[in-house]
Amino acid sequence: EIVLTQSPATLSLSPGERATLSCRASQSVTTKLAWYQQKPGQAPRLLIYDASTRATGIPARFSATGSGTDFTLTISSLEPEDFAVYYCQHRANWPLTFGGGTKVEIK
Amino acid sequence: EVQLLESGGGLVQPGGSLRLSCAASGFTFRSYTMNWVRQAPGKGLEWVSSILGETDSKWYVDSVKGRFTISRDYSKNTLYLQLDSLRAEDTAIYYCVKTIVPLQAYFDSWGQGTLVTVSS
Repeated sequence: EIVLTQSPATLSLSPGERATLSCRASQSVTTKLAWYQQKPGQAPRLLIYDASTRATGIPARFSATGSGTDFTLTISSLEPEDFAVYYCQHRANWPLTFGGGTKVEIK
Repeated sequence: EVQLLESGGGLVQPGGSLRLSCAASGFTFRSYTMNWVRQAPGKGLEWVSSILGETDSKWYVDSVKGRFTISRDYSKNTLYLQLDSLRAEDTAIYYCVKTIVPLQAYFDSWGQGTLVTVSS
């Protein structure tokens, strides 16, 4: 099983600031990685797939890079609606797994 | 518009059973891999099971193998998850999820979730 480790667990930032979230895989997932956003009481929303491709309707302030075992999600300038929990997920093999999440909270 | 509507959750005693259903519409149901993802209260996301489009190959997380069964009815455009021998640790919101493209397991459409509570 591929373990995804996200860091930091919590990121305290102000609106307008840049957020940088990390996801590290226990073995290579090539670029078979996605990022999701989840707000309280809501289902997750797909942001990024194939490590760097924005899903339909996702604003350009969300970007992502990485391959192999190290991945980064960047939010260039935080909007009030971006404060949420973010998860990474791989599809390199079975079982699919998610990271433990990074909470982006208002400072 | 893709719609996924789960039902069947509820309170069940340890060792009991439930069947979750997910009525799908707005896409070619038979072509897509369909999935169940769960979230325990206050916890992160956990993939539970997938059934591949066309082939109906099935995959499960180890913790539910032999206890949960995923299936689909093409005539009703409905996905199911049979939950047997339930344990307290199965308590979670269960989401029905569609993949972004038929054979790529990225989850682009989610239902609202159905809560399963396992408690005596």
